[in-house]
Amino acid sequence: EPEVTQTPSHQVTQMGQEVILRCVPISNHLYFYWYRQILGQKVEFLVSFYNNEISEKSEIFDDQFSVERPDGSNFTLKIRSTKLEDSAMYFCASSVRTSGGDRQYFGPGTRLTVT
Amino acid sequence: EDQVTQSPEALRLQEGESSSLNCSYTVSGLRGLFWYRQDPGKGPEFLFTLYSAGEEKEKERLKATLTKKESFLHITAPKPEDSATYLCAVRVFNTDKLIFGTGTRLQVFP
Repeated sequence: EPEVTQTPSHQVTQMGQEVILRCVPISNHLYFYWYRQILGQKVEFLVSFYNNEISEKSEIFDDQFSVERPDGSNFTLKIRSTKLEDSAMYFCASSVRTSGGDRQYFGPGTRLTVT
Repeated sequence: EDQVTQSPEALRLQEGESSSLNCSYTVSGLRGLFWYRQDPGKGPEFLFTLYSAGEEKEKERLKATLTKKESFLHITAPKPEDSATYLCAVRVFNTDKLIFGTGTRLQVFP
């Protein structure tokens, strides 16, 4: 079965630094998402992306965050100036919406540690 | 506000001891209810989607059901490899996002 892949698996950065998390969605999918999960808490929606633009974003997704699809295969999440509270698992997901359903496929995640 | 609540938070079962996990939801308009399995340090793995009250889906030892207020994930004769956190999520009309519950951490002992 096709999979969503994410790199790196673990990223350690210092507070105030910029980080870019990378994702390769499933090739025929058109909708892309980022979620995060702080340790011990629920999975939270950050942003959705379709047709080269943001279709929806949460309150968490402020000006420090941006997303981009730089080419036909990658989907990235950039955090401009990381804070301690950005430490979390970040999951990329993708979906193709059909009359049969709109299941979101999740990647394995990137663990971001901000020190 | 759209909300998802899962219970219990944690469940310990002996191998072969059947049980059920609950997901209660309060939403403006349900587009779909999703069950995922999550192993430690991994991403959510899709199990089922349910769209309307009365719908049921089965896969091996798991069966998901849906009413207008809640969903159940029934686990029949569980095995140790069923140990994981089970997540419930809803999607409502006119949004893209999934709204997750906090999950039920299941441990099955031999």
